[in-house]
Amino acid sequence: QVQLQESGPGLVKPSETLSLTCTISRGAITTYYWTWIRQPPGKGLEWIGYIYYSGNTDYNPSLKSRVTMSVDTSKNQFSLKLTSVTAADTAMYYCARGTKGYDNGWYWYFDLWGRGALVTVSS
Amino acid sequence: EIVLTQSPGTLSLSPGDGATLSCRASQSVSSSALAWYQQKPGQAPRLLVYGASRRATGIPDRFSGSGSGTDFTLTISRLEPEDFAVYYCQQFGGSPPFSFGPGTKVDIK
Repeated sequence: QVQLQESGPGLVKPSETLSLTCTISRGAITTYYWTWIRQPPGKGLEWIGYIYYSGNTDYNPSLKSRVTMSVDTSKNQFSLKLTSVTAADTAMYYCARGTKGYDNGWYWYFDLWGRGALVTVSS
Repeated sequence: EIVLTQSPGTLSLSPGDGATLSCRASQSVSSSALAWYQQKPGQAPRLLVYGASRRATGIPDRFSGSGSGTDFTLTISRLEPEDFAVYYCQQFGGSPPFSFGPGTKVDIK
């Protein structure tokens, strides 16, 4: 059964860079759109962006200037970097698998999620 | 930007009741681009429905989705104890490409 696991520091200082890695277990990194989604405490979900195994990316315009995603197919991992963080970036960060397809229209959904990594921005 | 609005914010029901959750988009969304997720406390969201009406693998048939255009609905026919959770709708195709509604909490009456 395919599993995703986030890893990285749980505490980041303001103005520094948040770095997280998602490891894909028992599954291939090809075909899917590997995604980061975050959820501030007690709030809703925000899509950060995705990376395809080939390296193609798409980011949320509201975060685009601060976000970089990368993929390491040899390690079955993908990563997120978010620069110049503030307290507003404090959130649970989830990695997820995006599936895209066509059947009377394009569909896209996130069908596999990691457990999440809580990142707190504080000095 | 496509904004999703969910109503009600909270739904207080008893096990065995039916639940109707609404998701409204600020502009028309392709039916194939609408999905629903369930999130329980301390857990990641779980995909329930995609393409507005297609149940994801392993999802019980008491969950059903419907709708088109700007109005979509998730119906739970008979609430089981494990169904009390927060439900989010999600659209694909706007800008940003993906957005989620604010959620509807279904809690025990």
